[in-house]
Amino acid sequence: DIVMTQTPVSLSVTPGQPASISCKSSESLLDSDGKTYLYWYLQKPGQPPQLLIYEVSNRFSGVPDRFSGSGSGTDFTLKINRVEAEDVGIYYCMQSLQLPWTLGQGTKVEIK
Amino acid sequence: EVQLVQSGAEVKKPGESLKISCKGSGYSFTSYWIGWVRQMPGKGLEWMGIIYPGDSNIRYSPSFQGQVTISADKSIGTAYLQWNSLKASDTAIFYCARHTGYPSSGAFDLWGQGTKVTVSS
Repeated sequence: DIVMTQTPVSLSVTPGQPASISCKSSESLLDSDGKTYLYWYLQKPGQPPQLLIYEVSNRFSGVPDRFSGSGSGTDFTLKINRVEAEDVGIYYCMQSLQLPWTLGQGTKVEIK
Repeated sequence: EVQLVQSGAEVKKPGESLKISCKGSGYSFTSYWIGWVRQMPGKGLEWMGIIYPGDSNIRYSPSFQGQVTISADKSIGTAYLQWNSLKASDTAIFYCARHTGYPSSGAFDLWGQGTKVTVSS
């Protein structure tokens, strides 16, 4: 199985400040079709997860542009340009290149 | 409205059977894979498996193969997750989600609200 490792486990951020979450996979997520099968989800408190970013760097519909994704191969980063109160929750990276699909353990983002 | 609506919370005893549901509406249910994701209390998300309602093609995570059964009834636009004999360790919230692209690249772009399953004697 591909192991997804996120750091940090938790993050406390002052509103308006940036935040960054790292996700590393045990194998490259680049497929022969040229796409990289890495996704980011946010689970706000008491809610189901929601899609933020697909294929490393593409914001899903309605996701604010303060969210951005980058990386390649096995190293990926989610950045929040200026954290807002509504960004609190647990962020997960996920790979769907290889079955079984696997997720990172999550990064909890809190507001200071 | 495009949505996935899951069945309500369940409280069961160990050894009992259970089938929870996920009904899609507002889109072509048979054109997208539906996945199931487990979240145990206070824990992260775990991918359980995925089904294509168009032909009931299924992929299971090895961690869940043999422990649960995923199925779908395309005539009523509903996917299911089933247990034959529940254990206390099955206590969790289960989410269904629509996948946009399997086997090509895609993501879970639409999620159900979750079904909380509690197994306790």
